[in-house]
Amino acid sequence: QQQVKQSPQSLIVQKGGISIINCAYENTAFDYFPWYQQFPGKGPALLIAIRPDVSEKKEGRFTISFNKSAKQFSLHIMDSQPGDSATYFCAATLRNTGFQKLVFGTGTRLLVSP
Amino acid sequence: NAGVMQNPRHLVRRRGQEARLRCSPMKGHSHVYWYRQLPEEGLKFMVYLQKENIIDESGMPKERFSAEFPKEGPSILRIQQVVRGDSAAYFCASSPPGLADYEQYFGPGTRLTVT
Repeated sequence: QQQVKQSPQSLIVQKGGISIINCAYENTAFDYFPWYQQFPGKGPALLIAIRPDVSEKKEGRFTISFNKSAKQFSLHIMDSQPGDSATYFCAATLRNTGFQKLVFGTGTRLLVSP
Repeated sequence: NAGVMQNPRHLVRRRGQEARLRCSPMKGHSHVYWYRQLPEEGLKFMVYLQKENIIDESGMPKERFSAEFPKEGPSILRIQQVVRGDSAAYFCASSPPGLADYEQYFGPGTRLTVT
C-alpha cells in the first residue's frame, strides 16, 4: 500500500515534443505529490508538486495532472529540451504526520534528442 | 548559503568493514532525512532525525545500521560489517523546522561500494 508505481522506465522524446510520465498509488491517505529531477551524480531536486485538492498545476513547461478517483498523477513536459534529459521521480507522502516521509517511484530516465 | 553537504562522495569498503557517511544540513535546517537508492531503483526512506533525536527509523534495517544527529556537527549514518548488498547511493536531505510543508533539499549523495 505504500508503493508508488511509475512508468515508463525510460523515454526518448524529440526536441520540442511532449514528455509524459505516469504514476499510480494505492494509499488514499497520501496528500502531497512532488516530482523530483535528478541529473547524473547529483541529488534529486524538487521540480513541481501538487496537493489532491486540485486537478492540475502548471509551472512553466511543467504540468502535473492529478486524478484522485483513479489514484493517478502524471508529469507533462511541454516543448522538451535536451537540457531536460535527466531521471524523473514521482513521490507521495503524508504531511499530517508532521514531516515528509517520501515514498518514491522507481524513476523514469528521459532522453531528449536534439 | 551552501547546500546540503555530504562526504565522502565515494566510499569503497571491503566486506566486514564499517562505513561512516556524513551529512551537513543547510544552514538553519534542523531536520535531516536519509534515503538509500539501490541501482535502477527509486529512493527508499531510511530515517528521519531532528537534533539529538531519532523521530522515525522505520526504514532502517534492524541490524548493522544506525544514525545520529548530534547537537553539534553533521548527521552520521553508520553501517557496521558492510555486505555487498549495502552497495548503493545514500542521500541525505534537510528541511527547516516547523510545518511538514517545507521542501526537502537533497545532498549530492555518497556512493558506497562494497568489495
